[in-house]
Amino acid sequence: EVQLVETGGGLIQPGGSLRLSCAASGLTVSGNYMSWVRQAPGKGLEWVSVLYRSGATYYADSVKGRFTTSRDNSENTLYLQMNSLRAEDTAVYYCARSVEGRYYVDVWGKGTTVIVSS
Amino acid sequence: DIQMTQSPSSLSASVGDRVTITCRASQSISTYLNWYQQKPGRAPNLLIYGASSLQSGVPSRFSGSGSGTEFSLTIISLLPEDFATYYCQESYSTPHNFGQGTKLEIK
Repeated sequence: EVQLVETGGGLIQPGGSLRLSCAASGLTVSGNYMSWVRQAPGKGLEWVSVLYRSGATYYADSVKGRFTTSRDNSENTLYLQMNSLRAEDTAVYYCARSVEGRYYVDVWGKGTTVIVSS
Repeated sequence: DIQMTQSPSSLSASVGDRVTITCRASQSISTYLNWYQQKPGRAPNLLIYGASSLQSGVPSRFSGSGSGTEFSLTIISLLPEDFATYYCQESYSTPHNFGQGTKLEIK
């Protein structure tokens, strides 16, 4: 069974840093296009980033320069390093697998909640 | 960046009804358009990819159409479990933006 499990969310003060992890099973992170999508409370879905099999990464303008997506192939885990956090980064963060070529998301994690507040 | 606009933002319907949700892209995205369903407190679930391809396991009462800039999701014979929020997403170029969502409520 393919599964993505996010961890690392929590309460953090503005300006702080947090690293989210996404442990994959049933698929290899290195062999797939892996994305992060977030959802602020009561709001819609916001695409955050994608990490291609090649290692190339792309980010939404709202997080560019502050967030970094990476992977550990030996741990089969995707990461989202979030720095200089702002109140508007408060959201549920979903890890997701995007299908190569069409880039639609067919596997989602359950999400982890990040709250940025003093 | 490509902007995605859904309409309506909310929709009231009854069990058994047929509903259509529209999604418009700010520029042509061919058929790189996907539809997701999300229920409260749950992760989204893929319904349609490539504008009209039904994801495995999704009931055939869901269908998608369109190309270029205009797309639609149609649900025939609504069931109680279909009342949820629906999102379109373009996957033509990064950022792979989502529409703002359409909340389908029971009338």
